[in-house]
Amino acid sequence: DVKVTQSSRYLVKRTGEKVFLECVQDMDHENMFWYRQDPGLGLRLIYFSYDVKMKEKGDIPEGYSVSREKKERFSLILESASTNQTSMYLCASSLLVRVSGNTIYFGEGSWLTVV
Amino acid sequence: AQTVTQSQPEMSVQEAETVTLSCTYDTSESDYYLFWYKQPPSRQMILVIRQEAYKQQNATENRFSVNFQKAAKSFSLKISDSQLGDAAMYFCAYKSQGGKLIFGQGTELSVKP
Repeated sequence: DVKVTQSSRYLVKRTGEKVFLECVQDMDHENMFWYRQDPGLGLRLIYFSYDVKMKEKGDIPEGYSVSREKKERFSLILESASTNQTSMYLCASSLLVRVSGNTIYFGEGSWLTVV
Repeated sequence: AQTVTQSQPEMSVQEAETVTLSCTYDTSESDYYLFWYKQPPSRQMILVIRQEAYKQQNATENRFSVNFQKAAKSFSLKISDSQLGDAAMYFCAYKSQGGKLIFGQGTELSVKP
């Protein structure tokens, strides 16, 4: 069964802490994505990666960075967490090349609270 | 840059009736994918239906169908014979050829018994 796994479901961090959110997929997908979901704003793209060590900014990259050292793992980093980064973070992955269906797989989400 | 807009934050439908959720997008690309995803309270994203832009025929999946108007950049979802289990947040999404995937703001659908 294909899977996208987000290692932490619920986190509580203090303002100023460095936070790592990890996402692992077992489908050899080139594309990986990080979103945050907030009421009324939908899913907003933070960063995405189309290959190892390759990344592109999404719509709201400020305050975040990412790391993709291995194909299966895409990490989201909050260098200095702030209260306005309290949110649900969602990871997704898909194949890069155009294939029939182009299915996207999602993790279960990570709820981050910054206090 | 591509954008996706869902102008209906909330919609309501009577059980067994039909409802249409709206979605518009902006892009300069000619080939791309469009999706509708359902997100129940569990927050797990569930694919409802997908449309490839080069296909003129509207996609259909059982009670779910789309009205894809490429020139107007419109991609609405019609749910027929609505069921209580259809109640959820619905997201419209755009995927470019380069792989970038963006979502709309979502529409919260409630189904009245």
